[in-house]
Amino acid sequence: QSVLTQPPSVSGAPGQRVTISCTGSSSNIGAGYDVHWYQQLPGTAPKLLIYGNSNRPSGVPDRFSGSKSGTSASLAITGLQAEDEADYYCQSYDSSLSGSNVFGTGTKVTVL
Amino acid sequence: QITLKESGPTLVKPTQTLTLTCTFSGFSLSTSGVGVGWIRQPPGKALEWLALIYWDDDKRYSPSLKSRLTITKDTSKNQVVLTMTNMDPVDTATYYCAHSGSGGSCLDYWGQGTLVTVSS
Repeated sequence: QSVLTQPPSVSGAPGQRVTISCTGSSSNIGAGYDVHWYQQLPGTAPKLLIYGNSNRPSGVPDRFSGSKSGTSASLAITGLQAEDEADYYCQSYDSSLSGSNVFGTGTKVTVL
Repeated sequence: QITLKESGPTLVKPTQTLTLTCTFSGFSLSTSGVGVGWIRQPPGKALEWLALIYWDDDKRYSPSLKSRLTITKDTSKNQVVLTMTNMDPVDTATYYCAHSGSGGSCLDYWGQGTLVTVSS
């Protein structure tokens, strides 16, 4: 059972903005540990989308942005495109887990 | 460029031990800050972080699976090996290895994954 909670699904029309929340606690996000986001297209391996809360790796469109506040983090997708339909996962370090990391529960983004 | 590839059995029987190998290129696991981790994903379910080994041989495990997991590295062969004991059908999943750089926790390069089915 993950300690990072995400909504199971979000949806939006092309061009719209959607946000995905990642809710943690004082032992992970709230403790100041970085949050990373991954995109998993159907049938493929996950891909790093956002690292260190709000940084985009080279090649990731600036339509994707990340933020963190308190015990939660968010991923925003602006100008939603059909190719953004995928599963999205947050990840962070958790001090209550003997120095290990944890993924969020995952969110399916559907483009209407 | 950095690449990783998982290899191992596609089918294991319950109670057996699973041994997976991650063979990588484009980086060295003797470089400060570098790590290689293992992640799994049961069919239709979420990602689960399993273990990670760092350049200095520091090892981290998922607490829920720690008693069953062992992660090791062979720097000369550019390989990381994960063993999981006492396999059960619920361990059926795609197993991924991934690169972690700069001492952080993000996984910036992933292998394609290998599906392991546990069945008698």
